[in-house]
Amino acid sequence: ELKVEQNPLFLSMQEGKNYTIYCNYSTTSDRLYWYRQDPGKSLESLFVLLSNGAVKQEGRLMASLDTKARLSTLHITAAVHDLSATYFCAVVLDTYGKLTFGTGTRLTIIP
Amino acid sequence: KAGVTQTPRYLIKTRGQQVTLSCSPISGHRSVSWYQQTPGQGLQFLFEYFSETQRNKGNFPGRFSGRQFSNSRSEMNVSTLELGDSALYLCASSLVPGLAAAGELFFGEGSRLTVL
Repeated sequence: ELKVEQNPLFLSMQEGKNYTIYCNYSTTSDRLYWYRQDPGKSLESLFVLLSNGAVKQEGRLMASLDTKARLSTLHITAAVHDLSATYFCAVVLDTYGKLTFGTGTRLTIIP
Repeated sequence: KAGVTQTPRYLIKTRGQQVTLSCSPISGHRSVSWYQQTPGQGLQFLFEYFSETQRNKGNFPGRFSGRQFSNSRSEMNVSTLELGDSALYLCASSLVPGLAAAGELFFGEGSRLTVL
């Protein structure tokens, strides 16, 4: 059974600081997704990582994938308050629309 | 371009009742999948449909069912509601079937079900 673990579960950081969220998964997969969720809202797609060594960046967020280590990271650079949200990673095992989500990381940016 | 539309957005039911939730995918998207989100269990896959056929199903009891219509709209039904069914139910659509060819999933705003 595929298991996806994120850490930390909760993260408070000051504006301007850098930090990394980690996503480990238990079974080989070459596709990983990152989503953002604001309170009471739906999931917003951030990144789709498709191969080993993939790196994608959007603004202050950068995601990478190491399929050999079964690890993805979401790096936050110079955090700003607008980045406060819950971030989920999700892994695909098959092609039939099933994403297995991590537990989520609740990020709070403190002014 | 309209996004994934889910109705109703909020609903309250009592134990033993049944509920039907609706999802209209992004125009042109033919694959629809459903997820349940709860504080305790997180986000869990319910099922996925493509061309009116259920192609994948998560580990949920038979009280949870769904279907897809020829226009790609989908409904899910939960019968004999239990308190633990209280959750945010999210629908997602994708252009290609089940994330093949690196397709993305686009999520709706969800239907928040409260069971009393």
